[in-house]
Amino acid sequence: DAGITQSPRHKVTETGTPVTLRCHQTENHRYMYWYRQDPGHGLRLIHYSYGVKDTDKGEVSDGYSVSRSKTEDFLLTLESATSSQTSVYFCAIRPGQGEKLFFGSGTQLSVL
Amino acid sequence: GIQVEQSPPDLILQEGANSTLRCNFSDSVNNLQWFHQNPWGQLINLFYIPSGTKQNGRLSATTVATERYSLLYISSSQTTDSGVYFCAFYYGNNRLAFGKGNQVVVIP
Repeated sequence: DAGITQSPRHKVTETGTPVTLRCHQTENHRYMYWYRQDPGHGLRLIHYSYGVKDTDKGEVSDGYSVSRSKTEDFLLTLESATSSQTSVYFCAIRPGQGEKLFFGSGTQLSVL
Repeated sequence: GIQVEQSPPDLILQEGANSTLRCNFSDSVNNLQWFHQNPWGQLINLFYIPSGTKQNGRLSATTVATERYSLLYISSSQTTDSGVYFCAFYYGNNRLAFGKGNQVVVIP
């Protein structure tokens, strides 16, 4: 295992509520990523980080924010959840450029 | 953006059969990788293969970057090979993009 823990594993919430998903790594890797996976769309990049306090947007970043205050943690926040954000969210890490990407086990989020 | 096409989209195999999955991309890509997502949703990195050929047990992968494609070979398939296979590549500043995947079902 690549030492990645996502929490929570499952969450059900209501439209309009804030939600924070956590990705924790024990590998001290520089790069961390958040993806969402939906039927018919595959895996799409939400945000990624290339160091502490260094983040950038992916292809589906609207409605999401991230923070990385320390190397091991990368947080994904839905400020006001909507039903379209119901999805499986995956965190991934990699040590450096040109290296393999490793995924966490995913978080199933349902927004009712 | 770069277009990625994976073929075939769906594949049903008899246990023991061999198969080839293909990933075509529309432009030069960097650091191509292959992933397997098992029926429980877990994503496993199979190969980091920017060019050339690599083998890992019954699986092997070949990338011909100059011709913009990569192949994943599954030999003597087993039921545990079922799932979805994704190719992925880096573009821009550290972004990794995925193809839509090959759904593989291996029947005993």
